[in-house]
Amino acid sequence: DGGITQSPKYLFRKEGQNVTLSCEQNLNHDAMYWYRQDPGQGLRLIYYSQIVNDFQKGDIAEGYSVSREKKESFPLTVTSAQKNPTAFYLCASSIRQGALNEQFFGPGTRLTVL
Amino acid sequence: QKEVEQNSGPLSVPEGAIASLNCTYSDRGSQSFFWYRQYSGKSPELIMFIYSNGDKEDGRFTAQLNKASQYVSLLIRDSQPSDSATYLCAVKVSYGGATNKLIFGTGTLLAVQP
Repeated sequence: DGGITQSPKYLFRKEGQNVTLSCEQNLNHDAMYWYRQDPGQGLRLIYYSQIVNDFQKGDIAEGYSVSREKKESFPLTVTSAQKNPTAFYLCASSIRQGALNEQFFGPGTRLTVL
Repeated sequence: QKEVEQNSGPLSVPEGAIASLNCTYSDRGSQSFFWYRQYSGKSPELIMFIYSNGDKEDGRFTAQLNKASQYVSLLIRDSQPSDSATYLCAVKVSYGGATNKLIFGTGTLLAVQP
């Protein structure tokens, strides 16, 4: 099955902890993205990567970090510097960065800070 | 700040009726427009995209674009209870060079009453 997987589905974090959200795709897509969704709000771009070993900040990158060491993987770390991390996190990919009509979303990770 | 505006709803329509979802955007240079459907607790799925002024039809769905008025809409004919979801409007904006991003609206909740 081709697609995007995210794990875990639910994640609970204590204040002050760093957590890493996994995103893997087997679609052979170059571009990958991380979005955050809060209740009643649209998706906001955290980070994106157009190619392996390259990534750029999105609109709300503060308190987050990413890496892109493999084409298939784009993990997101939510650091303790992120003051309000409780949200639904969505990973997406597209063949290339400009091919937004072909952007596919993973199932999401719901992060809750206790 | 480039923005996408949607009425949050809920928009309630009876089964079999036409549902009309609307979206306005601020960036006059935007060229590509997308409608995503998001069921509660799930990730968004792309249902339509449109680039040119006018109408684009796909089954029960019709996207309408009016660039002069900076307005894009989605019509759902013969609405079914399974269409009940949040519909997100997204606009592709360019930030120079090859960098493109999707800006999402907050979504309109559609409720189709049996």
